[in-house]
Amino acid sequence: DGGITQSPKYLFRKEGQNVTLSCEQNLNHDAMYWYRQDPGQGLRLIYYSQIVNDFQKGDIAEGYSVSREKKESFPLTVTSAQKNPTAFYLCASSIVGSTGNSPLHFGNGTRLTVT
Amino acid sequence: AQSVTQLGSHVSVSEGALVLLRCNYSSSVPPYLFWYVQYPNQGLQLLLKYTSAATLVKGINGFEAEFKKSETSFHLTKPSAHMSDAAEYFCAVRYGAGSYQLTFGKGTKLSVIP
Repeated sequence: DGGITQSPKYLFRKEGQNVTLSCEQNLNHDAMYWYRQDPGQGLRLIYYSQIVNDFQKGDIAEGYSVSREKKESFPLTVTSAQKNPTAFYLCASSIVGSTGNSPLHFGNGTRLTVT
Repeated sequence: AQSVTQLGSHVSVSEGALVLLRCNYSSSVPPYLFWYVQYPNQGLQLLLKYTSAATLVKGINGFEAEFKKSETSFHLTKPSAHMSDAAEYFCAVRYGAGSYQLTFGKGTKLSVIP
């Protein structure tokens, strides 16, 4: 079955360390996204990529970095510059088309705790 | 800034009662509209989407939503709540066919009382 795999499900890090969250999809989607979820704040867009080797900042990109070397993969690095990294991180993908009603498909998320 | 508003961060209903979760968007041009559901520690699952083919959209798990342009609303309803409906629900909008981003509301947590 096609889908999006995020790993690991839970991640613990010490403050000051960079950490990379994995996101792989086998849906053959061109576009991929990273969202951050905090209680009561909904989902906020960190980065998105429409095509391999290209990506754009979302609303809260500071302290994060991404790469898109393969269509299937869109890893997110949370750097030590991110002031409040503890959160639930969601990866998503979608087709790229002429209509705007293509939904996002989500992975099951990674919960990052930094102490 | 264009946005989406979900009224009520928490809604409680009795099992068997009507579920109504509210969503309003903020554009004079109707956006593309979606409802998602999230169970604890999981990702988001698409419930339904508005495609402009019909103003009443039916989704999974017995949910439906009605697009009302005059009210800039896309409220989610279900005639009879089930215990398994307890989850968090998110309304999302995309403004313009050329935009890839979805803007999400802050979510409404639904509790179902036995």
